Amino acid sequence: ILNVEQSPQSLHVQEGDSTNFTCSFPSSNFYALHWYRWETAKSPEALFVMTLNGDEKKKGRISATLNTKEGYSYLYIKGSQPEDSATYLCAFPSGATNKLIFGTGTLLAVQP
Amino acid sequence: DTEVTQTPKHLVMGMTNKKSLKCEQHMGHRAMYWYKQKAKKPPELMFVYSYEKLSINESVPSRFSPECPNSSLLNLHLHALQPEDSALYLCASSQGVTANSPLHFGNGTRLTVT
Repeated sequence: ILNVEQSPQSLHVQEGDSTNFTCSFPSSNFYALHWYRWETAKSPEALFVMTLNGDEKKKGRISATLNTKEGYSYLYIKGSQPEDSATYLCAFPSGATNKLIFGTGTLLAVQP
Repeated sequence: DTEVTQTPKHLVMGMTNKKSLKCEQHMGHRAMYWYKQKAKKPPELMFVYSYEKLSINESVPSRFSPECPNSSLLNLHLHALQPEDSALYLCASSQGVTANSPLHFGNGTRLTVT
């Protein structure tokens, strides 16, 4: 059974703070690692799909890094804004397939 | 606006009812998915259709029956459900059928079984 873990479970920060959270996944049989953002009352939105060890991707104030040898990815948000409040989910494919296993998520709340 | 459309948004059904959830995408995506999400839990994969064929069934009880009439449509037929089946049902699609294809989700159907 694949184990995809995220920490922390929840995070409360002030507007302007920078923050980061972690996704841990099995380091063997790596094919890709996905990050999604899920705002309340909306649909989950894909942020990044990472495939290469050492990869770093950026989208505005959000960036992600990947370490496939040790089995973790970090998501960073620089200068958090209230609109960044959401649950951030990582997902790990089971083998070279499109069967995605989701982590439990990190709930981020940004206070104005 | 999401490009994956799910209907209805909310559904309340009794344990003896038969109902269907519908999902539609017009992005030319080749894979479509059903996920189930219970409160404070991550989405759990139920079914995957790749090129209109059922490719993954995660040992889902037969009271859930998926159908893919064409490459744009995905249905989930529900019959004799239990109260514990109450959940948010999410449909998703992806352009490819490989591990690096991002999913595009609909807004979900909130199902309550009474």
